[in-house]
Amino acid sequence: QKEVEQNSGPLSVPEGAIASLNCTYSDRGSQSFFWYRQYSGKSPELIMFIYSNGDKEDGRFTAQLNKASQYVSLLIRDSQPSDSATYLCAVIGDSSYKLIFGSGTRLLVRP
Amino acid sequence: EAGVAQSPRYKIIEKRQSVAFWCNPISGHATLYWYQQILGQGPKLLIQFQNNGVVDDSQLPKDRFSAERLKGVDSTLKIQPAKLEDSAVYLCASSLAGWGTEAFFGQGTRLTVV
Repeated sequence: QKEVEQNSGPLSVPEGAIASLNCTYSDRGSQSFFWYRQYSGKSPELIMFIYSNGDKEDGRFTAQLNKASQYVSLLIRDSQPSDSATYLCAVIGDSSYKLIFGSGTRLLVRP
Repeated sequence: EAGVAQSPRYKIIEKRQSVAFWCNPISGHATLYWYQQILGQGPKLLIQFQNNGVVDDSQLPKDRFSAERLKGVDSTLKIQPAKLEDSAVYLCASSLAGWGTEAFFGQGTRLTVV
């Protein structure tokens, strides 16, 4: 079982739609969760982090965390073609404090 | 505030040669990470330092890879000898404390082994 799992996609949505990206993790004691965006040929850049169960909103982005289900998601409202990128979920485990990444979900926003 | 600095940006070597990458983290960041990212995959953690101590190096191929972080600041990652499958982007990242704080990435070093 992978420590952090994501659907590789691509997830294709029309411009203006809501994109929903999902991630599951295996370490039940994990405390810190991050979403990074990576454009082709570039380094990952942080979009959001979330530590507590529930929703956290920042502009068009909402991160959702459900520790009981070991599930974290990212919603992108009013998707734009510039949002087309790979979205990486990352988790810091409880026991080792390692920052582990999923394989990423490729998002395509169609004009 | 200066970001994470990495060098070189690109490197092409022949298999069985050696190569070294350098990383200077954001000032004051205690945690430093080295990741390997193969095209189409997510970053794979090779080694994580907390100050100058190793937090985890379970995924580091120790027969050919080595890393050090002198004085708890900058770091070098070395591969000797390189294999074709080592072709990847090597990313360095740093964070303030490790647990619970976000990591910031450098621009990466793209290694091609021919």
